Amino acid sequence: DAMVIQNPRYQVTQFGKPVTLSCSQTLNHNVMYWYQQKSSQAPKLLFHYYDKDFNNEADTPDNFQSRRPNTSFCFLDIRSPGLGDAAMYLCATSRDWRVSHEQYFGPGTRLTVT
Amino acid sequence: RKEVEQDPGPFNVPEGATVAFNCTYSNSASQSFFWYRQDCRKEPKLLMSVYSSGNEDGRFTAQLNRASQYISLLIRDSKLSDSATYLCVVNPSSSGSARQLTFGSGTQLTVLP
Repeated sequence: DAMVIQNPRYQVTQFGKPVTLSCSQTLNHNVMYWYQQKSSQAPKLLFHYYDKDFNNEADTPDNFQSRRPNTSFCFLDIRSPGLGDAAMYLCATSRDWRVSHEQYFGPGTRLTVT
Repeated sequence: RKEVEQDPGPFNVPEGATVAFNCTYSNSASQSFFWYRQDCRKEPKLLMSVYSSGNEDGRFTAQLNRASQYISLLIRDSKLSDSATYLCVVNPSSSGSARQLTFGSGTQLTVLP
């Protein structure tokens, strides 16, 4: 089945220790998104790629970076995680917003910062 | 004012009940609307898109009122498995070409046996 996969599902890192979360998709969608979701809050968009075109949200901290080496993979790098970065990180894809705005989410990576 | 507002609930209803959620959006030029369902500690999943004429999928009915800028979701004959958080989602672009969606904070539903 075509899908969005995230690894790892659970990640524990120490305060200030860099961490990378990964996302892959078999849907062959043009657009990939990274969201941060904290408890009882809406998913917050961090950035997205349309193909290789990177788009950062204005309020995304510099501590968060992303890479998309090819259509299938996208990475979220947190350079120096703080306690406030503990959250669920969701990767999503969509085919092309000129066709459809529906987004398909991966299962998420739950990040704990100790 | 938030771009997308929902009553957070929780809504606790007995099995078999009918329950309705409303959502308001601030951008009158918004074009695309969705309801997503999110189970506890899981990812959001698309429940249904919302079309101007309203649409139904089994026990679920979605309606859009552009004049009042609100979207509704009606669930009939509630099942225990309907327990989840329901997210109202809007594409805020007037041209329909915006790359992102705006999510509400969700309405929590618990269906009781």
